[in-house]
Amino acid sequence: GENVEQHPSTLSVQEGDSAVIKCTYSDSASNYFPWYKQELGKRPQLIIDIRSNVGEKKDQRIAVTLNKTAKHFSLHITETQPEDSAVYFCAADNSGGSNYKLTFGKGTLLTVNP
Amino acid sequence: GAVVSQHPSRVICKSGTSVKIECRSLDFQATTMFWYRQFPKQSLMLMATSNEGSKATYEQGVEKDKFLINHASLTLSTLTVTSAHPEDSSFYICSAAGTANTGELFFGEGSRLTVL
Repeated sequence: GENVEQHPSTLSVQEGDSAVIKCTYSDSASNYFPWYKQELGKRPQLIIDIRSNVGEKKDQRIAVTLNKTAKHFSLHITETQPEDSAVYFCAADNSGGSNYKLTFGKGTLLTVNP
Repeated sequence: GAVVSQHPSRVICKSGTSVKIECRSLDFQATTMFWYRQFPKQSLMLMATSNEGSKATYEQGVEKDKFLINHASLTLSTLTVTSAHPEDSSFYICSAAGTANTGELFFGEGSRLTVL
């Protein structure tokens, strides 16, 4: 089955700095890679996703890059703000994108200090 | 986006009792829903895939007789924790795929179960 590794487990940055979270996956058949943000005690919310036919995707301050050869993908947050503080999970879907069965990374606790 | 509602948000029960958690897709039909378990400061672990009108598919290591899943309609899946024990205390979250077939999963608010 799929195995997703996520690093770092915790990340602390100053407001305005950039934050980068990296994930690797094991199954070369995986072709859908979403990132979720989860605030304490709340539901995960999709912030950005990328499919295997795209190398990079950007949405305002958030971007995701994918390297299929190396089987890793990264989340980049620029100009961080205190409200970006949360746990971020990467995930991989090796079902062909048709049944949304995701394997999650262990999460990264991001703290943005004012 | 699509809305998934989970109920109850918190439940406390005595050891040995059973607890039912509901997951509803409010504005779309979901033929497939997923149930996860999340321990404090840990990731979401997929427990089972709930398919409307058929038996759920459980992940390795998840006891199907302990975690009963029923998906009787296109908008409702239920998870029943039977004969609950303190080690079953956890945050349980469901998810469902939206009808736009974008691959996006929508999550419920989660249910925190505490077994005394």
